[in-house]
Amino acid sequence: EVQLVESGGGLVQPGRSLKLSCAASGFTFSNYGMHWIRQAPTKGLEWVASISPSGGSTYYRDSVKGRFTISRDNAKSTLYLQMDSLRSEDTATYYCAKRFAYWGQGTLVTVSS
Amino acid sequence: DIQMTQSPASLSASLEEIVTITCQASQDIGNWLAWYQQKPGKSPQLLIHSATSLADGIPSRFSGSRSGTQYSLKISRLQVEDTGIYYCLQRYSNPWTFGGGTKLELK
Repeated sequence: EVQLVESGGGLVQPGRSLKLSCAASGFTFSNYGMHWIRQAPTKGLEWVASISPSGGSTYYRDSVKGRFTISRDNAKSTLYLQMDSLRSEDTATYYCAKRFAYWGQGTLVTVSS
Repeated sequence: DIQMTQSPASLSASLEEIVTITCQASQDIGNWLAWYQQKPGKSPQLLIHSATSLADGIPSRFSGSRSGTQYSLKISRLQVEDTGIYYCLQRYSNPWTFGGGTKLELK
């Protein structure tokens, strides 16, 4: 059974950093591209970043380019999202997903002073 | 960027009724279209992939179709458990984009 478990969310001040993790199990992690998607409170879904199976290729939405970094550790079957220079508009529940087919339960990031 | 225009934004329907939700893509995306259902406080669940293929474990009352750049999700006989918010997603090109969502309620 595919399982994706996000962690690392919390309350953070504007301009600070946070690193999210997504622990994967139930499939061969190193064979699949992975994604981060977010959902602001009461809003719709928004793709954030993606990474290829090897980690050699990464993709970001324009609003997070230069501030967020997606990475993975295939030996640990874990996906990461390093978020720097956080803004209030980054407040959202962040989901990791395998091929957009399987999603984790999400972790809430709140950016506020 | 490819825009996905989803309609209606909200919908109220009766049990056993047929429900249709549509997404209009701003350009050709082939069959790179997925549909999701999201319940309150839960993560989205994949219903349909590749525009018309039912995801594993999804009831057969759900179906997807395509006409050019318009995509539709049909629920053939609405059940109580089908309430929630539905989203489409285009996976044709980066940035991947979602429709704005359709909130489906029981009348």
